[in-house]
Amino acid sequence: AQKITQTQPGMFVQEKEAVTLDCTYDTSDPSYGLFWYKQPSSGEMIFLIYQGSYDQQNATEGRYSLNFQKARKSANLVISASQLGDSAMYFCAMTGGNQFYFGTGTSLTVIP
Amino acid sequence: DARVTQTPRDKVTEMGQEVTMRCQPILGHNTVFWYRQTMMQGLELLAYFRNRAPLDDSGMPKDRFSAEMPDATLATLKIQPSEPRDSAVYFCASGETRNEQFFGPGTRLTVL
Repeated sequence: AQKITQTQPGMFVQEKEAVTLDCTYDTSDPSYGLFWYKQPSSGEMIFLIYQGSYDQQNATEGRYSLNFQKARKSANLVISASQLGDSAMYFCAMTGGNQFYFGTGTSLTVIP
Repeated sequence: DARVTQTPRDKVTEMGQEVTMRCQPILGHNTVFWYRQTMMQGLELLAYFRNRAPLDDSGMPKDRFSAEMPDATLATLKIQPSEPRDSAVYFCASGETRNEQFFGPGTRLTVL
């Protein structure tokens, strides 16, 4: 069963604009964690942000924020003030038990 | 700046040969993960260690893959015998808890 769903294979955003990357998840565990990673063309995986299922407030890290809507089981990533260096693949991931699930990714292209 | 290191970065081998990939986690991190990334399957968790003990390796083909942590500074992933379908990028990641994962640069394996 698909645990993480990213429905946007590709997204475009104008430089300096904000963009939201969608992620929905499926779990029956009350305790879980949600992550976002960035993978530029160089291939490395860069940790961006983490949200725990019991966290009351949305996680923020610089220009990244995670819009956590527990009832909807969504964990969208918001990137504010997009930069050309933000062009990359973005993966949503979830921990549950001893398993870790990654989505299929969204390719973001920032247009000058 | 502490980083996860992986060797080799690239490996080309022939079908049937043994392949060993090595990972040095960040000092002090007690959780280590092995992932495989392919275009078709995306990112898959292969194995997960905490304090050098394997907690989950259900994602790993048991007949040919093995993962170990001989000590806290070294994790290995071995494939014997290798097959063309094993061609992928293999990532190691480490964290202080399972709620954080810092990835290494990956080993790109090509099995001919």
